[in-house]
Amino acid sequence: QKEVEQNSGPLSVPEGAIASLNCTYSDRGSQSFFWYRQYSGKSPELIMSIYSNGDKEDGRFTAQLNKASQYVSLLIRDSQPSDSATYLCAVNIGNTGKLIFGQGTTLQVKP
Amino acid sequence: DTEVTQTPKHLVMGMTNKKSLKCEQHMGHRAMYWYKQKAKKPPELMFVYSYEKLSINESVPSRFSPECPNSSLLNLHLHALQPEDSALYLCASSQAPSGTDYTEAFFGQGTRLTVV
Repeated sequence: QKEVEQNSGPLSVPEGAIASLNCTYSDRGSQSFFWYRQYSGKSPELIMSIYSNGDKEDGRFTAQLNKASQYVSLLIRDSQPSDSATYLCAVNIGNTGKLIFGQGTTLQVKP
Repeated sequence: DTEVTQTPKHLVMGMTNKKSLKCEQHMGHRAMYWYKQKAKKPPELMFVYSYEKLSINESVPSRFSPECPNSSLLNLHLHALQPEDSALYLCASSQAPSGTDYTEAFFGQGTRLTVV
């Protein structure tokens, strides 16, 4: 079992729709969870962090964490073509400093 | 300021060369990371330094040698690389853990390495 798992996609949504991205992790001791966006040829850009169960909202982005189910998700509301990118889930495994990424989900927002 | 600066942006080196990648941050972060990223793959963790000490080495070949001379700088020394080592090398930094939480890691723009 991989330490952090995501569906690679591509996930295609129309402009203005909600995009839902999911991630699961294997180590129950993990406490810190992050979503990064990566455009082709660029480095990962942090968009959300979440540490506690529940929802965390920042603008059009909402991160959701369920530690009992070992599940993290990212919702993007009112999706824009500029949101088209690869979204990487990252987990600090067992809170050791070992920051591991999932395979990434490619999001395509069609005008 | 969330800036992590990597130099050089691009590097071409022969298999017998020795070169170094540099990373600098001035955010007061005490955890620094090296990642390797191949095309269409996620970043793959190589090394983690915490308070200038190597805390994680993900079984990286010895031809990659990290160094953390002070709290702001991180180097990756390269020697006798192979063509399959060609990749984007990413540096990141975060606040060192306080209690049980590691906070957000911020990435530099990367060094695109080609081994010929």
